[in-house]
Amino acid sequence: DGGITQSPKYLFRKEGQNVTLSCEQNLNHDAMYWYRQDPGQGLRLIYYSQIVNDFQKGDIAEGYSVSREKKESFPLTVTSAQKNPTAFYLCASGTGANYEQYFGPGTRLTVT
Amino acid sequence: GENVEQHPSTLSVQEGDSAVIKCTYSDSASNYFPWYKQELGKRPQLIIDIRSNVGEKKDQRIAVTLNKTAKHFSLHITETQPEDSAVYFCAARAQGGRRALTFGSGTRLQVQP
Repeated sequence: DGGITQSPKYLFRKEGQNVTLSCEQNLNHDAMYWYRQDPGQGLRLIYYSQIVNDFQKGDIAEGYSVSREKKESFPLTVTSAQKNPTAFYLCASGTGANYEQYFGPGTRLTVT
Repeated sequence: GENVEQHPSTLSVQEGDSAVIKCTYSDSASNYFPWYKQELGKRPQLIIDIRSNVGEKKDQRIAVTLNKTAKHFSLHITETQPEDSAVYFCAARAQGGRRALTFGSGTRLQVQP
C-alpha cells in the first residue's frame, strides 16, 4: 500500500467551493476506489473504476464526480452539491482479479 | 445489494485474552472476505482475508473462519496485546455484480494492559 498516494493530507475549503482530491498509484492496479469515512463510522463507497475511462457510482455518489483518464490516477471532485462534505476520504486500488484492495493514507477534508 | 453487519461495535479485553469479532453478509454470491485494521487517523490495513472455498485461515495470532451456509465469518485474535487496539472492519465482495467491497460498521477493540 506504500504505492498509493493521496494529497493533500489535510484540506480546508469554504462552503460552495468545488475541491479535487488526488489519488495516484504506481502498483499497476487496474481497479481504483473512493470511500468516505465519517467519525466512528465505517467506509462507504463513493465511486469505483475497474479500467481506464470507465467508472461506476457507489452507494453515496451524489455530489461527487470522478475521472479515470490514466491507469495511475483517479481524482475525486467534491462539488458544492455535496451537502455534508467534511469527512476523511480514502482512495484504494486493487488488481481486480484477486480482489485484494489496498488503501492510500487518506485526505481529511474540512468545509466551513 | 450486499449488506454486511458487524458485531460487537466495541470490545474490551484483558491483555492475553482472546477477541472474537463476527460479521454476517446477505449476498450468497459473495466469495471474498477481508479484514482490515485501522489505527486512529491512519489508513485501513489488510490483515487477513479468506475466500469462499476455504473454511478457516490462520496467520500467527489471527484467524478467520467462514460459514457459507449461515453466511457469517469471524475474526479471532489470540493472546491479545495492547498494540492490537484499533478499529477492525470486515468486508465482503461478490464475484459478479458490483466489483467493490462492502464494509461492516467496524469494531473498536481495546486491549487493557
